[in-house]
Amino acid sequence: AQSVAQPEDQVNVAEGNPLTVKCTYSVSGNPYLFWYVQYPNRGLQFLLKYITGDNLVKGSYGFEAEFNKSQTSFHLKKPSALVSDSALYFCAVREYGQNFVFGPGTRLSVLP
Amino acid sequence: NAGVTQTPKFQVLKTGQSMTLQCAQDMNHEYMSWYRQDPGMGLRLIHYSVGAGITDQGEVPNGYNVSRSTTEDFPLRLLSAAPSQTSVYFCASSYSGPLFDSNQPQHFGDGTRLSIL
Repeated sequence: AQSVAQPEDQVNVAEGNPLTVKCTYSVSGNPYLFWYVQYPNRGLQFLLKYITGDNLVKGSYGFEAEFNKSQTSFHLKKPSALVSDSALYFCAVREYGQNFVFGPGTRLSVLP
Repeated sequence: NAGVTQTPKFQVLKTGQSMTLQCAQDMNHEYMSWYRQDPGMGLRLIHYSVGAGITDQGEVPNGYNVSRSTTEDFPLRLLSAAPSQTSVYFCASSYSGPLFDSNQPQHFGDGTRLSIL
């Protein structure tokens, strides 16, 4: 069975500093991995995905994520955080022939 | 391009009442799904559909029904509302792939905030 963990409920970072939001997963085969962002009173918005190939994936709004197969991780990163990046972030996994499974979410607060 | 549209945005019900949450998409996606979002629990899949006339249960289907008569619409019915169904409900759609193997992301509506008193 698929599962996703986001070990931090909350991440605080100062504006201009690099940010990392962590995600680990468990699958039996090869996963498709996704990051979504949710702003207040809105639905989830797609940021980026990993399918295969290059372990560093670039996405929207300057975000990137690093796939590490040996550590079964897919951490979201950004070199310089903005106050406007403050939101709820979800990691998701999908195996072949399966539905999406979402992590519990990590709330990112970027402090001015 | 409207994407995924959910109505209503807010609703308050009394215990025992029934209602239908509407979801429509204009992207010709085969796969549609309903999730509920509760604090600290992420999104949990209620029901999903891989095409018109085909639906299946997700992780938390009890108390909910769905149907898929067209590609565009995927309504969620609460049969007899209970306080435990107080939540935010999201509808999502995506390209499914011929073998349910697509790597395309889901598109989400803005949700329906439902309170059961």
